[in-house]
Amino acid sequence: EVVLTQSPGTLSLSPGERATLSCRASQSVSNSYFAWYQQKPGQAPRLLMYGVSSRASGIPDRFSGSGSGTDSSLTISRLEPEDFAVYYCQLYGGSPLIIFGQGTRLEIK
Amino acid sequence: QVQLVESGGGVVQPGRSLRLSCVASGFTFSSYPMHWVRQAPGKGLEWVAVIAYDGSIKLYADSVKGRFTISRDDSKNTLYLQMNSLRDEDTAMYYCARDPRAGQPDYLDYWGQGILVTVSS
Repeated sequence: EVVLTQSPGTLSLSPGERATLSCRASQSVSNSYFAWYQQKPGQAPRLLMYGVSSRASGIPDRFSGSGSGTDSSLTISRLEPEDFAVYYCQLYGGSPLIIFGQGTRLEIK
Repeated sequence: QVQLVESGGGVVQPGRSLRLSCVASGFTFSSYPMHWVRQAPGKGLEWVAVIAYDGSIKLYADSVKGRFTISRDDSKNTLYLQMNSLRDEDTAMYYCARDPRAGQPDYLDYWGQGILVTVSS
């Protein structure tokens, strides 16, 4: 069973700073890719990134993704107040099932 | 614009059943695989089930296999989740979500606002 581990669990930063969130799969899954979601309190998750570095519709270019193999990273170049939320990574494509990471909480320092 | 609206949640006793619905609009529903994802209070996301665009394939998380059934009615643009033998640990917000491509389960590009299911005696 593949497990996605996100780090850190909580990230405390100030507006204007750069944020880097990580996601690691416990084993390699061929033909798989990572996606990233943002979830604010009381709201549904929103797709941010897919296929490593493709931004979903309407997502500002301060969000970027990278990674390969078992690792993926989400970078927010300059944090805006509305970016403070919980972020989830997801593995898809190489397995018949969908797996989510446990989430990283990005909080205002 | 794409909209997904869930309904059918509520408070139910352990062992009882509940059926969730998700009405889709703003896209050709019959062309897309659809998923259910849940989130227990204060917890992370847990994938529940997926149904292929034509209903030919249905897959479930181990935690709900044999108890939950996903289905769709394309004439009504509606996705369903029949939940039987409910347990305390099924208490969660349930989201329906669209999968943008046929084939292997994919990322989820649109989500409903969610519907709360509480299993409690």
